[in-house]
Amino acid sequence: SAVISQKPSRDICQRGTSLTIQCQVDSQVTMMFWYRQQPGQSLTLIATANQGSEATYESGFVIDKFPISRPNLTFSTLTVSNMSPEDSSIYLCSVPSDRVYEQYFGPGTRLTVT
Amino acid sequence: DAKTTQPPSMDCAEGRAANLPCNHSTISGNEYVYWYRQIHSQGPQYIIHGLKNNETNEMASLIITEDRKSSTLILPHATLRDTAVYYCIVAPPDYKLSFGAGTTVTVRA
Repeated sequence: SAVISQKPSRDICQRGTSLTIQCQVDSQVTMMFWYRQQPGQSLTLIATANQGSEATYESGFVIDKFPISRPNLTFSTLTVSNMSPEDSSIYLCSVPSDRVYEQYFGPGTRLTVT
Repeated sequence: DAKTTQPPSMDCAEGRAANLPCNHSTISGNEYVYWYRQIHSQGPQYIIHGLKNNETNEMASLIITEDRKSSTLILPHATLRDTAVYYCIVAPPDYKLSFGAGTTVTVRA
């Protein structure tokens, strides 16, 4: 299994600012995924980040708002830009296992925008 | 556009089996049934998956009906640590998971 860490674990930010969330995996993986979980809601896939290529965003999510970097096979960042209170959510990264049906999730970053 | 329907909540007695139903009447031939759970303040955790046949692992059993339009996740001996939100997901094996609202399972002593 993969061990995933995220930084920060939580943060409180002012509206209009940006926050960069880090995701570190203890093994090399080609694909990494970023999810958002709004308060009391289920998870929604934001984008897929492949090393060496641009991230692929899901409907409703754009690069200007959620830029993603994937500099190597063990690390990715998600930036939440120009934040508003509606961006208050838990942001999680995940990676697939060797078995295509299983994904490992990080502990999440709890973001509150005031 | 939800692909699965699950009851919003259910209670279960500790030590008893918990049977979690899921309807997926529009499932396609290449789509699997996946179950994940999310314990409070943690990331989701994979439980089990299946295509047509019933499956069992160390955590749970998955019963899929012959027409594949519904399934049941069985936790054979529920413990307090099984209290979580359980997600039934229908998807092809392409890594993209679409989470619905899930079932909040509360195991009571």
